[in-house]
Amino acid sequence: QQQVKQSPQSLIVQKGGISIINCAYENTAFDYFPWYQQFPGKGPALLIAIRPDVSEKKEGRFTISFNKSAKQFSLHIMDSQPGDSATYFCAAASGTYKYIFGTGTRLKVLA
Amino acid sequence: GAVVSQHPSRVICKSGTSVKIECRSLDFQATTMFWYRQFPKQSLMLMATSNEGSKATYEQGVEKDKFLINHASLTLSTLTVTSAHPEDSSFYICSASRNRGAQGTEAFFGQGTRLTVV
Repeated sequence: QQQVKQSPQSLIVQKGGISIINCAYENTAFDYFPWYQQFPGKGPALLIAIRPDVSEKKEGRFTISFNKSAKQFSLHIMDSQPGDSATYFCAAASGTYKYIFGTGTRLKVLA
Repeated sequence: GAVVSQHPSRVICKSGTSVKIECRSLDFQATTMFWYRQFPKQSLMLMATSNEGSKATYEQGVEKDKFLINHASLTLSTLTVTSAHPEDSSFYICSASRNRGAQGTEAFFGQGTRLTVV
């Protein structure tokens, strides 16, 4: 019940295209859903996050869509760029601050 | 975003020695810090939760005597890998939680430490 399932494992997108990464969770106690971007040899960097009281949040080219009834949330990267090539992790957390991470998605954006 | 500094970024040590990794929150106070381990092309595995002024809480399967955690102040937590062995070689990452009041908390990560035990 503590798992966060992330898909796909890897993704190849053409420059300018839309990258979509999906996550699903079971524990309804989770109330915070961040996305992190990680480049090789670096720590994860917070991209964008959402709470269950909204269904969508947009920051620049990044959008989180949240479906509370389905217990799913997704990251959309609009106008994907080669510089977006990285590994993306979704996570879920509750008031204990403990984060449960998805398995990661390796995104490659072709120039 | 907030800044979490982790040092060193890379360390090579001999088998049997101990290595200390520092994690500092530079522009906020963090009552809770977390230590993760990440294997190549895998997700982050939580090792322990570090609370300022109290003992760390270790995840199942993590040896507390091997991975010593100290959270001496609201801005500093340390992880000491004792009697290191080659199988301890990994990428270790810390994170610090910033409390945003009614907006909840956010976690910010350090840049990670690549430990190689030879």
